[in-house]
Amino acid sequence: IAGITQAPTSQILAAGRRMTLRCTQDMRHNAMYWYRQDLGLGLRLIHYSNTAGTTGKGEVPDGYSVSRANTDDFPLTLASAVPSQTSVYFCASSVEVRWFFGPGTRLTVL
Amino acid sequence: SQQGEEDPQALSIQEGENATMNCSYKTSINNLQWYRQNSGRGLVHLILIRSNEREKHSGRLRVTLDTSKKSSSLLITASRAADTASYFCATFKAGAGSYQLTFGKGTKLSVIP
Repeated sequence: IAGITQAPTSQILAAGRRMTLRCTQDMRHNAMYWYRQDLGLGLRLIHYSNTAGTTGKGEVPDGYSVSRANTDDFPLTLASAVPSQTSVYFCASSVEVRWFFGPGTRLTVL
Repeated sequence: SQQGEEDPQALSIQEGENATMNCSYKTSINNLQWYRQNSGRGLVHLILIRSNEREKHSGRLRVTLDTSKKSSSLLITASRAADTASYFCATFKAGAGSYQLTFGKGTKLSVIP
């Protein structure tokens, strides 16, 4: 059982470029989330999806978009990357009250 | 904004000692959870304590919750070098049609062999 996979593992990106971070889970969880983790700030919620076909904004949604076409996949897109989006991005899913996290994507925007 | 705030930000202890980390939060919650993160990895769920519970144990972990003070503590007994990691508290709140888990900034624990 893979759980949650994220791709790529790391990426260096030029400012202004478009980037999609991929997230796939095989646990059939309805709810999925994207967090960013920055030093000294902990994890902050970017977007979430309670079930396939629905999405919602978290604490820091600006500059990011998500889609949820099916239960397994929850991609995060940066339409035009900026240096302040340099961070480690974690995808997560949840069942009842427990969260499961992917290994993360380390993104550097130059 | 962050719901939970951990204290201390960093903690260094000798192997075999106990480690205590504290968490304070601001609003009412349904439960409080503790997660562990090894360097460069994703978070792993450790233990959950419901709002109507005061103490919970799991192996070498002991969690307390004081809803009147809006605080929780995580105690790791007989620490091992492998316990070196960052520990996060997270507050869970069920809202209208959604469930949110809000994380604190974490405590970085170093256990010296």
